[in-house]
Amino acid sequence: GAVVSQHPSWVICKSGTSVKIECRSLDFQATTMFWYRQFPKQSLMLMATSNEGSKATYEQGVEKDKFLINHASLTLSTLTVTSAHPEDSSFYICSAPTGSGANVLTFGAGSRLTVL
Amino acid sequence: QKEVEQNSGPLSVPEGAIASLNCTYSDRVSQSFFWYRQYSGKSPELIMSIYSNGDKEDGRFTAQLNKASQYVSLLIRDSQPSDSATYLCAVNSRGSARQLTFGSGTQLTVLP
Repeated sequence: GAVVSQHPSWVICKSGTSVKIECRSLDFQATTMFWYRQFPKQSLMLMATSNEGSKATYEQGVEKDKFLINHASLTLSTLTVTSAHPEDSSFYICSAPTGSGANVLTFGAGSRLTVL
Repeated sequence: QKEVEQNSGPLSVPEGAIASLNCTYSDRVSQSFFWYRQYSGKSPELIMSIYSNGDKEDGRFTAQLNKASQYVSLLIRDSQPSDSATYLCAVNSRGSARQLTFGSGTQLTVLP
């Protein structure tokens, strides 16, 4: 089946630094990638939708200058958290539409970010 | 009102029992409904999808959809300790088959 490879699985960084998270579709082409954030005991919140070759679409309240999304190829989408702060500590998960009619999401394994 | 609502639990059932998880949604035009299982510290994995009214069975899992009442449920028969996880209800509520809105999840514990 379709696989989305996400890394790093966890990262610890100092406040003010930037962190890049990568998601790769291993055996299919992902023209779209959804990026979610999940705080403890809460559900997945859609942050943005990346589209290969065009600008990402951000959800209301998500700072596009802080969460830089790049979808440069059909198999790679990246999320960069710039000038990270402790409140950005969260579980970030990417997912791509797969399956019949692209109606099913295949998730990456997630990236646990801790900002000190 | 939240778009997708679930009882956060925790829900505890003994091993071998039936676990019943419920979800309601607010957008009447929703067309696709999904149940995902998420183990602690892991990303969600798809358990069931359902698109039309009625029941859909897959092994020990049965999804039930009632569009008139705007609810979808998941039944887990013969519950096993390995079923202990958070179950997320997801609904296509944006008119696009590609974007899902997730409920906050119900934490299920199956007691051995």
